[in-house]
Amino acid sequence: AQTVTQSQPEMSVQEAETVTLSCTYDTSENNYYLFWYKQPPSRQMILVIRQEAYKQQNATENRFSVNFQKAAKSFSLKISDSQLGDTAMYFCAFMKHSAAGNKLTFGGGTRVLVKP
Amino acid sequence: NAGVTQTPKFQVLKTGQSMTLQCAQDMNHEYMSWYRQDPGMGLRLIHYSVGAGITDQGEVPNGYNVSRSTTEDFPLRLLSAAPSQTSVYFCASSPPGRTNTEAFFGQGTRLTVV
Repeated sequence: AQTVTQSQPEMSVQEAETVTLSCTYDTSENNYYLFWYKQPPSRQMILVIRQEAYKQQNATENRFSVNFQKAAKSFSLKISDSQLGDTAMYFCAFMKHSAAGNKLTFGGGTRVLVKP
Repeated sequence: NAGVTQTPKFQVLKTGQSMTLQCAQDMNHEYMSWYRQDPGMGLRLIHYSVGAGITDQGEVPNGYNVSRSTTEDFPLRLLSAAPSQTSVYFCASSPPGRTNTEAFFGQGTRLTVV
């Protein structure tokens, strides 16, 4: 079974600054996907960024980027130029694709507060 | 395009009562799943389905039943609610295939069992 660990329960950052969220995972699989989801107070789960394990290049989506270290089983998220709307819970998630469906394993979450 | 629709958004039950959380998607996705979210534990998989007529257990299935009679609907049943089932419940769907990995989530149901 896979496990996902987010060691930072809460983080705060000043508006326009950069914050990095940590995520480590444990798996014996070689082919898998990693995700960061954002959950604002509205409770909606929003996909922020996705990384395929077979790709060495780190994924980026506008102000969001990841540092994927496959050997270390580490998948951190960097939020640049933080905005007030980035205030939310952030979840790291692992998925192994199989014929039995796309099952996600989530970390416990990191609460991010962006201060004006 | 409504995406994934969950009803109700909020519910209070008494211990021992039964209820069904509804989930419907209009994207013709084969794969659907139910998660529960508890503080500090992220989301945990309850049950999932890879298509109509096929369901299987996830990480925390005890106390819940599911069925999948159509591609669109995947209801979650609590037969005898317990306070330990107080949680936020999310339904998700995703299309088949190795390249379509994004899960689309409903807006969640906050359930309180007293």
